[in-house]
Amino acid sequence: GAVVSQHPSRVICKSGTSVKIECRSLDFQATTMFWYRQFPKQSLMLMATSNEGSKATYEQGVEKDKFLINHASLTLSTLTVTSAHPEDSSFYICSARGQGRWEQYFGPGTRLTVT
Amino acid sequence: AQTVTQSQPEMSVQEAETVTLSCTYDTSESDYYLFWYKQPPSRQMILVIRQEAYKQQNATENRFSVNFQKAAKSFSLKISDSQLGDAAMYFCAHYGGATNKLIFGTGTLLAVQP
Repeated sequence: GAVVSQHPSRVICKSGTSVKIECRSLDFQATTMFWYRQFPKQSLMLMATSNEGSKATYEQGVEKDKFLINHASLTLSTLTVTSAHPEDSSFYICSARGQGRWEQYFGPGTRLTVT
Repeated sequence: AQTVTQSQPEMSVQEAETVTLSCTYDTSESDYYLFWYKQPPSRQMILVIRQEAYKQQNATENRFSVNFQKAAKSFSLKISDSQLGDAAMYFCAHYGGATNKLIFGTGTLLAVQP
């Protein structure tokens, strides 16, 4: 099956700093990648959709200047949380989908803690 | 807008018994997919089963089957012969080609009692 990795799996950063999370499709070309946020014991909330080589489409209420998404290649998308604050602490999950496919393959997630 | 509702925050089942998780949805799309995902304590999302809306036959995957009632917009998951490894959070999800995104329900936490 298709494999998606995320790095790092856990990250702790200080308030006011920025942190980058990588999402990679290891054995297929991901024309579309999705970024989700999940609070404890809650569901996955879609933050943004990115297509390779294009600007990401953000969901309503998601600050695009705070959550910078880059999908520069068919195997890599990055989410940068800029000027992180404690309320940004959450579990971030990416998923990837190939051209003309409906199924999304999920990464293992990244736990971000902002102190 | 598409919505997915899971009315059972928590469920419990005895090992080897059968349990049914409920899901209802609302959609404006005529062509869509429905899914059940499992999220164990590791937090890795695992696809359990999918149903194409145009198919009348209910999907089955080994011990997992669905009861898809299109007119009622209901999509329940039945787990037969429950195993300890089935304990997890289960999310129902809707995908439509027009919106191009997965919409998740709030989840049902399933406990399996030995």
